[in-house]
Amino acid sequence: ETGVTQSPTHLIKTRGQQVTLRCSSQSGHNTVSWYQQALGQGPQFIFQYYREEENGRGNFPPRFSGLQFPNYSSELNVNALELDDSALYLCASSQDRGSYEQYFGPGTRLTVT
Amino acid sequence: AQSVTQLGSHVSVSEGALVLLRCNYSSSVPPYLFWYVQYPNQGLQLLLKYTSAATLVKGINGFEAEFKKSETSFHLTKPSAHMSDAAEYFCAVSGSGGSYIPTFGRGTSLIVHP
Repeated sequence: ETGVTQSPTHLIKTRGQQVTLRCSSQSGHNTVSWYQQALGQGPQFIFQYYREEENGRGNFPPRFSGLQFPNYSSELNVNALELDDSALYLCASSQDRGSYEQYFGPGTRLTVT
Repeated sequence: AQSVTQLGSHVSVSEGALVLLRCNYSSSVPPYLFWYVQYPNQGLQLLLKYTSAATLVKGINGFEAEFKKSETSFHLTKPSAHMSDAAEYFCAVSGSGGSYIPTFGRGTSLIVHP
């Protein structure tokens, strides 16, 4: 059974640029959630995708957007990057949108300069 | 609304000593409660979860936690710390408003001295 994978591992971008982060969900899981974890903080919920539709969103601006594909993999896109977007971005998959148990990937470390 | 407070951003123990990491929650409904561990440069791994069954929950790596409704607490314990337990620990709560999305605490860094 393959776990949750994320790419890339690390990324450095300049303020104002755009970035795309990728996540492959665990086999058999149809729901993907994205979190932002700033240094010294707990993960903050960005949004969740269930069967290619957004299924909930946290307190993040519209420049944070996402996609989920038919194979349930997902992308997180961030436009107009700001310095405060520097963080570890975590993807978590779950068996269904009603499942409380989530399985996390290793994260993508984004640095905005 | 739901929230979690983790008391102490850092906890330092000696190898072999008791580990106690504190978590208090706020929830308008009976909660689901979780403890996750995060090793450096890694994602979160679920240690244990409370889902309204037994109030004493046993998890992986010898950790356990007790749900105390009267104290709105879900403290994490381990009888004897190992060096390999050094990591960041996060408490999380979900269930409020019918949402399965967890709200995380700010984390507690466990330091284990030889």
